[in-house]
Amino acid sequence: GEDVEQSLFLSVREGDSSVINCTYTDSSSTYLYWYKQEPGAGLQLLTYIFSNMDMKQDQRLTVLLNKKDKHLSLRIADTQTGDSAIYFCAETTSGTYKYIFGTGTRLKVLA
Amino acid sequence: KAGVTQTPRYLIKTRGQQVTLSCSPISGHRSVSWYQQTPGQGLQFLFEYFSETQRNKGNFPGRFSGRQFSNSRSEMNVSTLELGDSALYLCASSLGQGEHNEQFFGPGTRLTVL
Repeated sequence: GEDVEQSLFLSVREGDSSVINCTYTDSSSTYLYWYKQEPGAGLQLLTYIFSNMDMKQDQRLTVLLNKKDKHLSLRIADTQTGDSAIYFCAETTSGTYKYIFGTGTRLKVLA
Repeated sequence: KAGVTQTPRYLIKTRGQQVTLSCSPISGHRSVSWYQQTPGQGLQFLFEYFSETQRNKGNFPGRFSGRQFSNSRSEMNVSTLELGDSALYLCASSLGQGEHNEQFFGPGTRLTVL
């Protein structure tokens, strides 16, 4: 079956690192995504990783993929108050054009 | 390039009514997907249209329907509204083909059913 799970809340102090976790069940997933949603807005793509990669780094963002455990994580270095938002992971299998999203993790950054 | 637009941004309806939401994709995009977002449920996939055909469908009742026009604009319709249909409805557009198919989201339509 298709299921993507995330913890609902995460609170960190400004300047610390944040780690948001996600588990998925579809072993045929090809691409895994991280989206950010700020209040009153749609989703903004932050980064994505292809399933044959273990890690991807993009400025303050680091994505780690453990395909064996079907576990995806997003690390935000030097977290700022502007990073406060809901973060969604999503997966898709190439060629299906169907995306399964997690429940979202609400990140709160404390000044 | 203009982004994905959704109209209206806010709607208030009563139980039993029906509603139509509209989504205009980014120019050149042929795929439009619809999602329902509720607190605690995340984004639930409704359906995806590509070149006027429904290509993917989620697990929603038949009260939820959609269509896509020749200019790729899409509408979704919800009939016989229930209180539980109150949600943010998001649409996303993409090219709809190729190895990596990035979705771009609109700001959403917030529907409140009283």
